[in-house]
Amino acid sequence: AQKVTQAQTEISVVEKEDVTLDCVYETRDTTYYLFWYKQPPSGELVFLIRRNSFDEQNEISGRYSWNFQKSTSSFNFTITASQVVDSAVYFCALSEGLKGGGADGLTFGKGTHLIIQP
Amino acid sequence: DAGITQSPRHKVTETGTPVTLRCHQTENHRYMYWYRQDPGHGLRLIHYSYGVKDTDKGEVSDGYSVSRSKTEDFLLTLESATSSQTSVYFCAISVGYRDRVNTGELFFGEGSRLTVL
Repeated sequence: AQKVTQAQTEISVVEKEDVTLDCVYETRDTTYYLFWYKQPPSGELVFLIRRNSFDEQNEISGRYSWNFQKSTSSFNFTITASQVVDSAVYFCALSEGLKGGGADGLTFGKGTHLIIQP
Repeated sequence: DAGITQSPRHKVTETGTPVTLRCHQTENHRYMYWYRQDPGHGLRLIHYSYGVKDTDKGEVSDGYSVSRSKTEDFLLTLESATSSQTSVYFCAISVGYRDRVNTGELFFGEGSRLTVL
């Protein structure tokens, strides 16, 4: 069965510091997708990124970057020069069993609460 | 953007009463999901649907039932609410397709906060 572990329950940093959120996953499938979602204090869930299991290239989007390493089953998320608006709960998630168009939902980690102090 | 409307957004009810949460989508997506979010547990899948009248159980389905009689509506029912079902409930639709394969990417509704006294 698939599993996603976010070991950091809460992280607090001062604005402008860099911060990395860890995500470790378990799956038996060779084809799977990894995701990060953001949940700001307002409560909505916002999609940040999707990465498939065959693409280990790191991705950068502005101050956000993601490091996918199959060797360690990790998909870590780094925010560079953090800002107060980055304060949120961040969820890592995994989907598998997608061949043939089926989709039985995402498995989420428990989330990391990121607090950026001014 | 996919449109999802959840109703009600907030509800307070008493133990033992039935509750139905509604998820309505406007873009004819095939897959729909109900999750609950609780502190310390993240989001957990309750039930999902892969078409009209086609549903399946998720990780935490006990005490919940679902129905999908139309593509656009996915209902979550608590037949007899308990305090342990106090939670925030999110509906989601699957929106990610790549080379005709569903990638699993979900778009979420705004959530429904349910309090069972």
